[in-house]
Amino acid sequence: QKEVEQNSGPLSVPEGAIASLNCTYSDRGSQSFFWYRQYSGKSPELIMFIYSNGDKEDGRFTAQLNKASQYVSLLIRDSQPSDSATYLCAVPLENRDDKIIFGKGTRLHILP
Amino acid sequence: NAGVTQTPKFQVLKTGQSMTLQCAQDMNHNSMYWYRQDPGMGLRLIYYSASEGTTDKGEVPNGYNVSRLNKREFSLRLESAAPSQTSVYFCASSEAWGSGANVLTFGAGSRLTVL
Repeated sequence: QKEVEQNSGPLSVPEGAIASLNCTYSDRGSQSFFWYRQYSGKSPELIMFIYSNGDKEDGRFTAQLNKASQYVSLLIRDSQPSDSATYLCAVPLENRDDKIIFGKGTRLHILP
Repeated sequence: NAGVTQTPKFQVLKTGQSMTLQCAQDMNHNSMYWYRQDPGMGLRLIYYSASEGTTDKGEVPNGYNVSRLNKREFSLRLESAAPSQTSVYFCASSEAWGSGANVLTFGAGSRLTVL
């Protein structure tokens, strides 16, 4: 079992709806959690990160963290076709802030 | 600023050949990384370097060697390439934000095919 788990999708969401992406992790000691977006054929780019329990909002994006349940989620409000991409969850493991492990990613498809 | 520069962008090798992927960053970041990406597998960490002079194994280090030449450069070497090493390789560097979170900046990727 991979230490960072994501549903590979594809997840299809109508334009204008809320897309919900989930990630679970195995290391209870992990302190910070990242969401990256990757368009086909491109490099991953940071969307946001979170390190406190609860919600963190940035524009149309909200990250939610629940350390007790070991999951982090990403909500995308008012989904746009340009949000169609693979979303990668990343978590530092083994008490090393620099040992950053990715999940397999969730492919999101926004339906016009 | 160029950010993270990887060379070459494309390479075709025969089984058993060796090659080195080069990576350089101009952001004065301490940590550097090599990941590989295969279809449906996400990014898998090969090796990383927390600072100049240190390297550590990631999830899939077998068949690879790395060198942190200086603060700017981190190279990945395949001594005897195998078809299983056909992949897209990403180099990244990171800076620690005030919270301690390490935000990664990626290079454009190097597509390697081993025949």
